[in-house]
Amino acid sequence: GIQVEQSPPDLILQEGANSTLRCNFSDSVNNLQWFHQNPWGQLINLFYIPSGTKQNGRLSATTVATERYSLLYISSSQTTDSGVYFCAVLSGNTGKLIFGQGTTLQVKP
Amino acid sequence: DVKVTQSSRYLVKRTGEKVFLECVQDMDHENMFWYRQDPGLGLRLIYFSYDVKMKEKGDIPEGYSVSREKKERFSLILESASTNQTSMYLCASSPSRTGAMLRYTFGSGTRLTVV
Repeated sequence: GIQVEQSPPDLILQEGANSTLRCNFSDSVNNLQWFHQNPWGQLINLFYIPSGTKQNGRLSATTVATERYSLLYISSSQTTDSGVYFCAVLSGNTGKLIFGQGTTLQVKP
Repeated sequence: DVKVTQSSRYLVKRTGEKVFLECVQDMDHENMFWYRQDPGLGLRLIYFSYDVKMKEKGDIPEGYSVSREKKERFSLILESASTNQTSMYLCASSPSRTGAMLRYTFGSGTRLTVV
């Protein structure tokens, strides 16, 4: 099955700093999503981005499907950005998302 | 917005008990999923369902079963709880199996402790 690897596993930033999170996947995909899990456990869908670039406020994401990776950019980080960021890809047409292990981000004031 | 509601936020059960975790969604989604989340392992799929009375095994179904008697409700059952089932359990729903319509909405999770 598809393997999804995220890096780095942990990241600590000062408020205001920028960061890049990476997601590598082992096979071609037609659905890739980024999620943020807040410290209370709620998972929020950030982006659906099988290819190309999207932006939403201070967050943007780029997927290069031919090279099998996706990047999530966080600019001018805030303490509310803390939590775990997951990348997930679709396995075939089964509707099952395969998740990476996540990147745990801590933004310090 | 789609709302996915999990019945309990925190749950403590004893080894050997039968445990029911309930999940309800309010947007008529066909597809529902149960994941467990453990540190360093990400989210792993336990069971999923594409329709009423239909279920499919995910990657780690051992020790679990599910029930989907109504479209909006998907229940996860731990037949005989064990300490290695202590985990965060997350329910999700999606309107589609493929393409851009496959957008998961998650519940807020149930943190289960088996003692």
